[in-house]
Amino acid sequence: NAGVTQTPKFQVLKTGQSMTLQCAQDMNHEYMSWYRQDPGMGLRLIHYSVGAGITDQGEVPNGYNVSRSTTEDFPLRLLSAAPSQTSVYFCASSYSTGAKNTEAFFGQGTRLTVV
Amino acid sequence: AQSVAQPEDQVNVAEGNPLTVKCTYSVSGNPYLFWYVQYPNRGLQFLLKYITGDNLVKGSYGFEAEFNKSQTSFHLKKPSALVSDSALYFCAVRGGYQKVTFGTGTKLQVIP
Repeated sequence: NAGVTQTPKFQVLKTGQSMTLQCAQDMNHEYMSWYRQDPGMGLRLIHYSVGAGITDQGEVPNGYNVSRSTTEDFPLRLLSAAPSQTSVYFCASSYSTGAKNTEAFFGQGTRLTVV
Repeated sequence: AQSVAQPEDQVNVAEGNPLTVKCTYSVSGNPYLFWYVQYPNRGLQFLLKYITGDNLVKGSYGFEAEFNKSQTSFHLKKPSALVSDSALYFCAVRGGYQKVTFGTGTKLQVIP
């Protein structure tokens, strides 16, 4: 079991560039989400999905897009990178509530720097 | 809106002493509560959860947490701290619409 796989691990972007952070899970989890982690701010929810074809916004969605065409994949797109998007990004997946095991599994993170 | 508060940015404890990391939450309906740990340059790892049942839940590495509905708290505890427990700890709540909200994290420093 690979769990949750995020790519790339590190990325440097110039202001205005776009890119896609990849996230894949092999546990058949319905729920997937993206967080950003900034010092003193904890993890803030960007977007989440409760199943293929269904996505919704979290606390800090501006500047990011997501789609969920399959159960396994949940890519995060930065439309036009800004220095304020410099952060560590984590993807997580879990079963939905109602299942016995609803804890989240996290990827190893993507450290993004926008210059 | 659901929320989680971790009032201490850092907790220092001597090795061998008991430790407590505090967490309070706000959510509509019955809460699903979680604790995660993060080591440097790593993703978060699940420690324990409360879904229903006994208010005292036991998890990995000797950690436990006590759910208190009246105080809306879910404090993390361990009877005897180890230096290797030093890490960043996050409390999280899962409520309506499946969303999971995290606290800001508490850095635990265990002093030899």
